[in-house]
Amino acid sequence: SQQGEEDPQALSIQEGENATMNCSYKTSINNLQWYRQNSGRGLVHLILIRSNEREKHSGRLRVTLDTSKKSSSLLITASRAADTASYFCATDEGYQKVTFGTGTKLQVIP
Amino acid sequence: DVKVTQSSRYLVKRTGEKVFLECVQDMDHENMFWYRQDPGLGLRLIYFSYDVKMKEKGDIPEGYSVSREKKERFSLILESASTNQTSMYLCASSSITGGTDTQYFGPGTRLTVL
Repeated sequence: SQQGEEDPQALSIQEGENATMNCSYKTSINNLQWYRQNSGRGLVHLILIRSNEREKHSGRLRVTLDTSKKSSSLLITASRAADTASYFCATDEGYQKVTFGTGTKLQVIP
Repeated sequence: DVKVTQSSRYLVKRTGEKVFLECVQDMDHENMFWYRQDPGLGLRLIYFSYDVKMKEKGDIPEGYSVSREKKERFSLILESASTNQTSMYLCASSSITGGTDTQYFGPGTRLTVL
């Protein structure tokens, strides 16, 4: 099955800076989602972008989708220490099943 | 808010034991999932269920079975636990309505097999 690949695997930034993480996938999708996971916890849904959308915003989050390049990016603006977490993209394969990538571990230093 | 609960946060078992991991959701979701999460490998789907008594194999079903006797409950069974099943296990649910397949996760069970 296809799997999203996040890049970079790990990212360390200072508080107040922007954080950008990328996701690449292999086949056509219905939508792409981003999830967040705090250390040792379950995942929490952040934002969904449909295949016919190019950009979407939610608070300090901005997601872009380029279906021609089969890639997406998640931008977190004005990062905070509380944003420290792992971030996963998930691609919709239909049949009510999504496939998760390996994640980007973000550390925001106060 | 959707709530997905898992029976244990931490579990320690011995090799060869039968292990049950329970997951309950309270939003009448049709779909339920079991994943395992290992460092560097991300989330890998073990089994999923789209209806009561229905199940589908995911990417890594070997060594696991599942049971869904009621809509709200999805159990993962390790028939004979082995050390390579030491992992974080995550349960999730989603609804077929809305067409977004957004999944709601439980807090996870960290299983250690000695």
